[in-house]
Amino acid sequence: GENVEQHPSTLSVQEGDSAVIKCTYSDSASNYFPWYKQELGKRPQLIIDIRSNVGEKKDQRIAVTLNKTAKHFSLHITETQPEDSAVYFCAASLGFNKFYFGSGTKLNVKP
Amino acid sequence: EADIYQTPRYLVIGTGKKITLECSQTMGHDKMYWYQQDPGMELHLIHYSYGVNSTEKGDLSSESTVSRIRTEHFPLTLESARPSHTSQYLCASSEYSETQYFGPGTRLLVL
Repeated sequence: GENVEQHPSTLSVQEGDSAVIKCTYSDSASNYFPWYKQELGKRPQLIIDIRSNVGEKKDQRIAVTLNKTAKHFSLHITETQPEDSAVYFCAASLGFNKFYFGSGTKLNVKP
Repeated sequence: EADIYQTPRYLVIGTGKKITLECSQTMGHDKMYWYQQDPGMELHLIHYSYGVNSTEKGDLSSESTVSRIRTEHFPLTLESARPSHTSQYLCASSEYSETQYFGPGTRLLVL
């Protein structure tokens, strides 16, 4: 089955700086890669996703890049704000059936 | 409002008791999932369903069982709760070619 690895496990940045979280996957057939944000005590919420036919996608301060050859994808958050502090999970899916999640990155944005 | 609901939100129960965690979604999604997640940690898939009368075990071994008699309802049952079952249980649903949406979770404590 698919194996998703996520790094780093914790990330601390100063407000206004950029944050980058990286994930690798093992199954080259995976074709859908969502990113979720989970605040303390709340449910995971989708923040951005990318499909395998696209190399990059941007939504305001958030962007995701996908390198199918290297089998890795990254989340980029620019101009970080304290409310960006949360745990972020990447995931990979083949055909929108089973989703395989990374181990999570705890992002702390210091004011 | 279209959403995914879980009850109870919190449950404290003694060892050996039978419990059922409820999950309902009003989005008409065919696919539903159960994940186990310790706070802030990785999500582990324990059961999933692609539609009525379809259920499969996930990658994490679990002593729980599920049923899918109606599209909107996907309950999870533990026949005999143990302290090792203490965790958060997240239900999710998705439509074909769309990402998953998560319920608010049930926090289970087995004494």
